[in-house]
Parts: sequence; structure tokens; C-alpha cells
Amino acid sequence: DVKVTQSSRYLVKRTGEKVFLECVQDMDHENMFWYRQDPGLGLRLIYFSYDVKMKEKGDIPEGYSVSREKKERFSLILESASTNQTSMYLCASRGRGTGEQYFGPGTRLTVT
Amino acid sequence: GENVEQHPSTLSVQEGDSAVIKCTYSDSASNYFPWYKQELGKRPQLIIDIRSNVGEKKDQRIAVTLNKTAKHFSLHITETQPEDSAVYFCVHSGAGSYQLTFGKGTKLSVIP
Repeated sequence: DVKVTQSSRYLVKRTGEKVFLECVQDMDHENMFWYRQDPGLGLRLIYFSYDVKMKEKGDIPEGYSVSREKKERFSLILESASTNQTSMYLCASRGRGTGEQYFGPGTRLTVT
Repeated sequence: GENVEQHPSTLSVQEGDSAVIKCTYSDSASNYFPWYKQELGKRPQLIIDIRSNVGEKKDQRIAVTLNKTAKHFSLHITETQPEDSAVYFCVHSGAGSYQLTFGKGTKLSVIP
């Protein structure tokens, strides 16, 4: 059974803080993704990674960076959090050549 | 990523009626079309998918149809039940692409 976990369900940070969101998957998937979900906007891709140390920008990478030092772990970094980054953040993983993408439970981040 | 238009954004049906959600896409190279369901407070999960060499696929009360010429695909839910209430996302992926492109979602409410 695929499991994708995220380090926090809820997080409250102050403007200007550096924020780390961690994601771990246990299925040896090559591909990992970070999305943000906002009402009426669906899921928007921030960054993805198709292999260790590899990363690609998604549709809305501004203000974010990522790190993938190990295959099972993909981190999203907000260098200097701003109020417009208040959102639900979803991590996902997907195996090479397979269709289904598995999501983590999400982290609801509030920046005040 | 390539756009996908999803309609309607909200849909209310009486229990037992059918529900149809439609999506159009622009990338003619797209060859994989999954649908994800997200119940309130939960993570998105795959409910059905179709590949471009197939025009229709059914799984109990849900079915998907694909018209590659017109570049649109649809989700059909028959005999709707209250537990079908959720947000549904249409998704597509191009050949050789790592990423999935999500529609903005349809909030389906099934009224008992």
C-alpha cells in the first residue's frame, strides 16, 4: 500500500520566516511533486522532481525552492514566507511509466 | 503546463440522478486521462482513468468517454449517492511527460 506522508498537517508561520515542508514516500517512486491548492484554482504545480537531485519548475515556482537529496524525500522551501503563500500544500509521488499519482494528506500553511 | 478546461465548476443533483462533468484540452499529444476525487478534508484519489487508444471505460457506476478528435473527455456518474459528493478533477498527461495537468475541479453535491 503506497504511503505518502507530510511532516505537518497544520503550520502557522510569520511573514519573512523560512519554511520547510517535508514529504516522504515509501514506494521507491522516481517522480515527486509539490502542488498548492486554493479554492477555485484547483491544483497548481509548483515544482517536481524525476530523480534524486533533479528538479523542474512547474507552473508557479516563484517564491519557492525544492530539494531532493534522497529518492524517498522531497522538500519544499519557502525562503521568505509571505501572506499570499497561505494555502494547502499537497505532495505527490508517481512511479516511472505508471499512471496513478499518490497524494499526501496535505499541509495547511498559514502565514501571518 | 497545457491547459485543461473543466465544466461545470459546481453541480447539484438529486440522489439517484446522473451527473456529467466535461473537460477539454489543447495538447494533441496527451494520451492519459485520469479522474481524481477529493472528499472534504481528504487527499485526491484516482477513481478511473482512460488512455488514448480507448474511447470509453466503465467501472460500476462511473464511466469516462474520450473524443481525441474533439479533444474532450467526460466523467459520467449514474445513480448518484450522497457519498459521491466531492470535488472531481479531470487530468491529462502528454506522451513521455512526467507531470499531470489538473482541471480546476467540479464540486458535486448529491442531495438526499
